[in-house]
Amino acid sequence: DSGVTQTPKHLITATGQRVTLRCSPRSGDLSVYWYQQSLDQGLQFLIQYYNGEERAKGNILERFSAQQFPDLHSELNLSSLELGDSALYFCASSPGNRGVQETQYFGPGTRLLVL
Amino acid sequence: GEDVEQSLFLSVREGDSSVINCTYTDSSSTYLYWYKQEPGAGLQLLTYIFSNMDMKQDQRLTVLLNKKDKHLSLRIADTQTGDSAIYFCAEMEDDKIIFGKGTRLHILP
Repeated sequence: DSGVTQTPKHLITATGQRVTLRCSPRSGDLSVYWYQQSLDQGLQFLIQYYNGEERAKGNILERFSAQQFPDLHSELNLSSLELGDSALYFCASSPGNRGVQETQYFGPGTRLLVL
Repeated sequence: GEDVEQSLFLSVREGDSSVINCTYTDSSSTYLYWYKQEPGAGLQLLTYIFSNMDMKQDQRLTVLLNKKDKHLSLRIADTQTGDSAIYFCAEMEDDKIIFGKGTRLHILP
């Protein structure tokens, strides 16, 4: 158990819909990262937040957005969903000290199926 | 560009050693990682190595780093059925972690 929690575990929805995935980082960690894992793209970094602010951006679509709240939990919002958005979405956290590269600890993931 | 390459499959007999190889492109990477993903589960950090190290050993796991060739390997000694999983190599680049596509380790009886 990494200490990172994600809800829900599974999500089934239809094309065009909007969903919100939630992540709670390990106690004391200030950084949260979101990843998408699909069969064709592999594991792709989406976005990082550090202490409430966006810090790094990867291959995140404009239809997707994220935020980190004052209690440090994060939400990933996926809108206008397409079939190709079906994937496993991971959240990870790290202590997030600026300028120090750190180990990230991963949550169990949310499996999204778009029908 | 960012690229981490791994072979997709490896089959090993139970009790033998498994060696999973990885190549990366960013010579400025400070940390290199190995993660394990069991079926239906999230990623589990197995071990990591600083770029100024050549080798790191942790129980049955040995990580070797050849910085000149940008080659990283993970050796699992005395491979067990519980080691059956996908192993991801990853490098840290500009505060982003870049993963390989993963190597699926299959254990033969």
